[in-house]
Amino acid sequence: GQQLNQSPQSMFIQEGEDVSMNCTSSSIFNTWLWYKQDPGEGPVLLIALYKAGELTSNGRLTAQFGITRKDSFLNISASIPSDVGIYFCAGQLNYGGSQGNLIFGKGTKLSVKP
Amino acid sequence: DTGVSQDPRHKITKRGQNVTFRCDPISEHNRLYWYRQTLGQGPEFLTYFQNEAQLEKSRLLSDRFSAERPKGSFSTLEIQRTEQGDSAMYLCASSFSGLAAYNEQFFGPGTRLTVL
Repeated sequence: GQQLNQSPQSMFIQEGEDVSMNCTSSSIFNTWLWYKQDPGEGPVLLIALYKAGELTSNGRLTAQFGITRKDSFLNISASIPSDVGIYFCAGQLNYGGSQGNLIFGKGTKLSVKP
Repeated sequence: DTGVSQDPRHKITKRGQNVTFRCDPISEHNRLYWYRQTLGQGPEFLTYFQNEAQLEKSRLLSDRFSAERPKGSFSTLEIQRTEQGDSAMYLCASSFSGLAAYNEQFFGPGTRLTVL
């Protein structure tokens, strides 16, 4: 199925570092969502973005909806051990008054530096 | 707990058997979605309901898959004659579709299916 290009695929963090990841698409989306998934669990919604250019924060997390509507990024500031997990971006088309399904990236896996 | 719940959390079955999963959405949510997630991938859309009506199906949803939401509350996903390729995490999500265009989907913990 169709998926977004998410990068990096994986990264190692040291506590206190800032982290950045992004998502790009060949298609325009009306909504961008960022989720975090722990092993064996479902994705948990972190941030939702609804307007091109929008910058939204949720605690140490900041996400932006790209001006072209084809990309989004997520920043995590001052990372802590519980930030470890897999982060997914998801794009959504809303059309004709109905709300479409989510298209997901392959995820960015955050691990702690050994 | 007022989140999305799914049952069972894990299911192991033999190839050729039928399996059924249940999803209970957040109570005031009128939309319910099913996704499938394989190892190393993001979730992929299967189907969704608005109230009891099934409004969209992915081409991933083969004839062996059927989903229902008979009273517009909980939903079931049945897979008939399971194949090893059906092994995956099956995720359910719900959302509220009102006058606003926003549609934040909240996921359940998933059902992990293993087909031997």
